[in-house]
Amino acid sequence: NAGVTQTPKFRVLKTGQSMTLLCAQDMNHEYMYWYRQDPGMGLRLIHYSVGEGTTAKGEVPDGYNVSRLKKQNFLLGLESAAPSQTSVYFCASSYFGGDEQYFGPGTRLTVT
Amino acid sequence: GQQLNQSPQSMFIQEGEDVSMNCTSSSIFNTWLWYKQDPGEGPVLLIALYKAGELTSNGRLTAQFGITRKDSFLNISASIPSDVGIYFCAGLQATGNQFYFGTGTSLTVIP
Repeated sequence: NAGVTQTPKFRVLKTGQSMTLLCAQDMNHEYMYWYRQDPGMGLRLIHYSVGEGTTAKGEVPDGYNVSRLKKQNFLLGLESAAPSQTSVYFCASSYFGGDEQYFGPGTRLTVT
Repeated sequence: GQQLNQSPQSMFIQEGEDVSMNCTSSSIFNTWLWYKQDPGEGPVLLIALYKAGELTSNGRLTAQFGITRKDSFLNISASIPSDVGIYFCAGLQATGNQFYFGTGTSLTVIP
């Protein structure tokens, strides 16, 4: 039982490049989330999903897109990366909206 | 978004000392979670609180859901070096699906 996994662990992008971050969970959780973590700030919610085929905007959604084609996977896309998107990205999942969230190990992204 | 204020921002304590930290907001929350994050890792859930006044323990950790529902507290007794890390609170409002996170309390334990 791996819990929540994220790939890749590290990535460096040039401004304007695109990439996709993959999150996978094996706990049969309905809800999945993408957060970003910046120095001196708490985790901020980018997008979330309440079930397969659904997505919703969080607190800081601009510049990101997401897809949840399978229940166990939640993808975060950056279509045209900007230096302001340099951050550590965390995926999380939970059984339902008010339930405890379990986090992946994070992806450290640098945009130059 | 909602502001969760964590206090203190950082703590430097001697091994064996007790630690107290808190999380406050101007809004009412229905659920409080406390997480610990080690460097280079994702947050790990420590304690979940679901009812005002609730007091829950997990080993040397004890957390309380404030009576006003606008705050929560975490205590660590007899600290040890592996307690080092950043502690985050997270709160869920009655009307939302979204947890809001505090800015964290960084704990350093001096052997």
